[in-house]
Amino acid sequence: QKEVEQNSGPLSVPEGAIASLNCTYSDRGSQSFFWYRQYSGKSPELIMSIYSNGDKEDGRFTAQLNKASQYVSLLIRDSQPSDSATYLCAPRSYNTDKLIFGTGTRLQVFP
Amino acid sequence: DVKVTQSSRYLVKRTGEKVFLECVQDMDHENMFWYRQDPGLGLRLIYFSYDVKMKEKGDIPEGYSVSREKKERFSLILESASTNQTSMYLCASSLLGGRIEGYTFGSGTRLTVV
Repeated sequence: QKEVEQNSGPLSVPEGAIASLNCTYSDRGSQSFFWYRQYSGKSPELIMSIYSNGDKEDGRFTAQLNKASQYVSLLIRDSQPSDSATYLCAPRSYNTDKLIFGTGTRLQVFP
Repeated sequence: DVKVTQSSRYLVKRTGEKVFLECVQDMDHENMFWYRQDPGLGLRLIYFSYDVKMKEKGDIPEGYSVSREKKERFSLILESASTNQTSMYLCASSLLGGRIEGYTFGSGTRLTVV
């Protein structure tokens, strides 16, 4: 079992729709969770972090965390073509300062 | 604006050359990391450092070494470059024990070994 699992996609959604990106993780001790956006050929950029169960909203982005189910998700409302990128899920390891990255979900938003 | 700066955006080297990739951060972060990223394989950790002159192997350290003589600078060294080290190399930094902060990445170095 991989430490962090994400559907590689591509996830295709029409402009204006809600994109839902999912991630499961194996380390029950993980306390903090991060979502990165990576455009093709560019480096990852932090867009959201969450460390409490429930929802955290920031503009069009909502991160959701369920530690009991070891599940974290990212919702993007009113998706735009500029949201087309790969989204990386990264829990922080409990006893180190390392982030454990998933391989990412590629999102395509079509006009 | 805080930054992690990688010295080269694109680099072409010959097989057998010794290659230095430099990374500098201005955030006073204790932790620094080197990753490589290849299609379908995601980010793979090569080496990391929690402090000056301290280094720990990541998941794929073979063929690489690192140097951290100053807090702000973390160098990745390819002792004898090979074609299978052609990749995107990403440097990142973070606070020690910073549970709510993530990594800040540099812009990456795309290395081609011919």
